[in-house]
Amino acid sequence: AQKITQTQPGMFVQEKEAVTLDCTYDTSDQSYGLFWYKQPSSGEMIFLIYQGSYDEQNATEGRYSLNFQKARKSANLVISASQLGDSAMYFCAMNNFNKFYFGSGTKLNVKP
Amino acid sequence: DGGITQSPKYLFRKEGQNVTLSCEQNLNHDAMYWYRQDPGQGLRLIYYSQIVNDFQKGDIAEGYSVSREKKESFPLTVTSAQKNPTAFYLCASSISVTALTGELFFGEGSRLTVL
Repeated sequence: AQKITQTQPGMFVQEKEAVTLDCTYDTSDQSYGLFWYKQPSSGEMIFLIYQGSYDEQNATEGRYSLNFQKARKSANLVISASQLGDSAMYFCAMNNFNKFYFGSGTKLNVKP
Repeated sequence: DGGITQSPKYLFRKEGQNVTLSCEQNLNHDAMYWYRQDPGQGLRLIYYSQIVNDFQKGDIAEGYSVSREKKESFPLTVTSAQKNPTAFYLCASSISVTALTGELFFGEGSRLTVL
């Protein structure tokens, strides 16, 4: 069964605007961690942000914030003030039952 | 600097040959993982290891083998039994498998092409 679903294969955003990348997850466990990673064309995976299932506040890291809606099982990534360097693949992941599950990714293109 | 080193970065293989991808970490992490990524797709778990001399199959373990003789090292062998081995392979580590807050640290990846 699909654990992580990213429904946006590709997204475009204008430079300096904000963009939201969607992620929904599926688990019956109460304890889990949610992560977002960025993968530039070089292939490396860059950790962006983490949200714990018991965290009451949404996580923020600089221009990245995670819109965590536990009841809806969603963990959307918000990137504010997009930059050209933000163009990359973005993956949502969940740490659950001692495994990390990844979504299929969203390719973000930032237009000048 | 602490990190994960994968080698080689690019590898070409003839059909029927086994190849071994190296993964070394100096982060003192207990858990290590191997993922496969096909073009335009997400990461799929091949094998993971929680401690030395122990490892578990992931979702797509067929045609692959691993060993964990040292904490720092987790090599992946792509055997001739893997029918479609051309892919991008990523090694990762985390503090422990059970630490929910521990993110995965990744190597730079190894791109395997079967000729």
